[in-house]
Amino acid sequence: AQRVTQPEKLLSVFKGAPVELKCNYSYSGSPELFWYVQYSRQRLQLLLRHISRESIKGFTADLNKGETSFHLKKPFAQEEDSAMYYCALRNTDKLIFGTGTRLQVFP
Amino acid sequence: DAGVIQSPRHEVTEMGQEVTLRCKPISGHNSLFWYRQTMMRGLELLIYFNNNVPIDDSGMPEDRFSAKMPNASFSTLKIQPSEPRDSAVYFCASSLMGGRETQYFGPGTRLLVL
Repeated sequence: AQRVTQPEKLLSVFKGAPVELKCNYSYSGSPELFWYVQYSRQRLQLLLRHISRESIKGFTADLNKGETSFHLKKPFAQEEDSAMYYCALRNTDKLIFGTGTRLQVFP
Repeated sequence: DAGVIQSPRHEVTEMGQEVTLRCKPISGHNSLFWYRQTMMRGLELLIYFNNNVPIDDSGMPEDRFSAKMPNASFSTLKIQPSEPRDSAVYFCASSLMGGRETQYFGPGTRLLVL
């Protein structure tokens, strides 16, 4: 069955510390993975997708098929990174979301 | 473009009442998705439409939930009768090309059923 697992509900770090938001997936085909972010009082929005191999707001995510992971990383967290982060897997036309991780960055 | 528009933004109702949530997708988008967000289960897809036609409603919890898309610019999600466990944030999203493009989310409707 297709599934996305985000094991951490809450991740708290201090400003300037490295951040890694974990995401593991289960999918029988060739996966297409995304990270969505929801800042306070804002809409859920796409942060990045693995096929673009891009860095957005300093975040990167590498697809590791061997470990079936797509962890989101940033070397130096900023207070404005505090938000809810969702990992998502495309299954045909649908997105399957994980349960989300709330990132809190303290000053 | 104002993006995806949802109404109402907040709804408080009593158990047993009918609730109707509304969504206006981005003009030109031909796919529309309804999601439910809860603390325990995160973001779950309820149903999605391509070109106004329901494609997959396997996420709809039970018969109390129904969704329609009478035209390309409007969709409704109805709960009848509502129950306290339906309390959640309901999001609508739209995209181009059957969902293979980026989904754009509305602000959500926060529903509380007492």
